[in-house]
Amino acid sequence: QQQVKQSPQSLIVQKGGISIINCAYENTAFDYFPWYQQFPGKGPALLIAIRPDVSEKKEGRFTISFNKSAKQFSLHIMDSQPGDSATYFCAASRFGSARQLTFGSGTQLTVLP
Amino acid sequence: DVKVTQSSRYLVKRTGEKVFLECVQDMDHENMFWYRQDPGLGLRLIYFSYDVKMKEKGDIPEGYSVSREKKERFSLILESASTNQTSMYLCASSPIQGFYGNEQFFGPGTRLTVL
Repeated sequence: QQQVKQSPQSLIVQKGGISIINCAYENTAFDYFPWYQQFPGKGPALLIAIRPDVSEKKEGRFTISFNKSAKQFSLHIMDSQPGDSATYFCAASRFGSARQLTFGSGTQLTVLP
Repeated sequence: DVKVTQSSRYLVKRTGEKVFLECVQDMDHENMFWYRQDPGLGLRLIYFSYDVKMKEKGDIPEGYSVSREKKERFSLILESASTNQTSMYLCASSPIQGFYGNEQFFGPGTRLTVL
């Protein structure tokens, strides 16, 4: 059972464009929603995260939008750059023994120069 | 900087072999995790540990076991490797949880091929 559904699987954007990746979750106990970025040959690294008490969080060109009633959240990358080309994973966690994460299936983003 | 290291970047084993994947973190983190990463499936949690000698099953524990004898080291064991365990294995660590989530720090991964 996939508790966090991510789309699209792949995304190609022109330099300067906006990249949008969407995630939906099922478990209403989730209360922490991070996004991880993974470059080839590297492990994922935390990019940005949001809690459900806010509807939006912005860090530089990266913004998370959160819709609690719809159980959806999305990552927006403004002014996308070729260096943003990577695989992006959304994730969710709930309070528990180790705050383990449930990840989405990933989106491979390619930003064309 | 937090550093999570994994014993091998690439590993090739034969069906039926016992395989050990080692992970070491240097930030005194309480929590450690093992994931496998497969195309189109994302990262799936195999096992995690929130303290020395403590372990809990994740979403796909079948065919795997783990060991955590020291705080900094978390081992993943494939008792009898099978071809369907060919995958990228990622280790991560995080500090003890706050009320809200904590960042997980990942190692570079071990690409395991079982022939």
